[in-house]
Amino acid sequence: SQTIHQWPATLVQPVGSPLSLECTVEGTSNPNLYWYRQAAGRGLQLLFYSVGIGQISSEVPQNLSASRPQDRQFILSSKKLLLSDSGFYLCAWSVLDRASAEAFFGQGTRLTVV
Amino acid sequence: KQEVTQIPAALSVPEGENLVLNCSFTDSAIYNLQWFRQDPGKGLTSLLLIQSSQREQTSGRLNASLDKSSGRSTLYIAASQPGDSATYLCAVRPTRSNYQLIWGAGTKLIIKP
Repeated sequence: SQTIHQWPATLVQPVGSPLSLECTVEGTSNPNLYWYRQAAGRGLQLLFYSVGIGQISSEVPQNLSASRPQDRQFILSSKKLLLSDSGFYLCAWSVLDRASAEAFFGQGTRLTVV
Repeated sequence: KQEVTQIPAALSVPEGENLVLNCSFTDSAIYNLQWFRQDPGKGLTSLLLIQSSQREQTSGRLNASLDKSSGRSTLYIAASQPGDSATYLCAVRPTRSNYQLIWGAGTKLIIKP
């Protein structure tokens, strides 16, 4: 069965520090991978998605970047965190099949920038 | 532009009641609609996925319906339990950008013992 791992679960970082959140998927090959941010009381905002190794698409301009160094690994990074980067970050995967395309999520990372 | 709305934003009911959560979307050009559950501070758990050609899906005490032409979906929870307390989110996958999910803001459900 497929599983998705996301870490760390919580993170407190000072303004201006770097960030690296990691997500890995097991039990599937060539998944679509996604990074979302969730603001309190609002829907999820898609930040990045990837359809393959080294292929990253960004949905919103921001202080963050993403990389996919391996088929089942997706990393969210920042060189210098801003206070506005605080939030709940979720990694997700789906199979690139238009009909089914069910999305599965990790447990999320609560990032607090202080 | 596809927009997804969930009403009500919050709902509190006594244990044992049957209840319905609503999700509406503005563009019927979708591949599917998915219902998720989110516990506080946790990730999302997929509950039900309804393909655009389907009318409903069932899993245990949950039943989700889809009326694509009217842009509506409902999640029916039978015999509610305190463990059902969570935020329920719906999301649609548009045909125009199948990599993306468009999300509602969620309904926060509290089941009182």
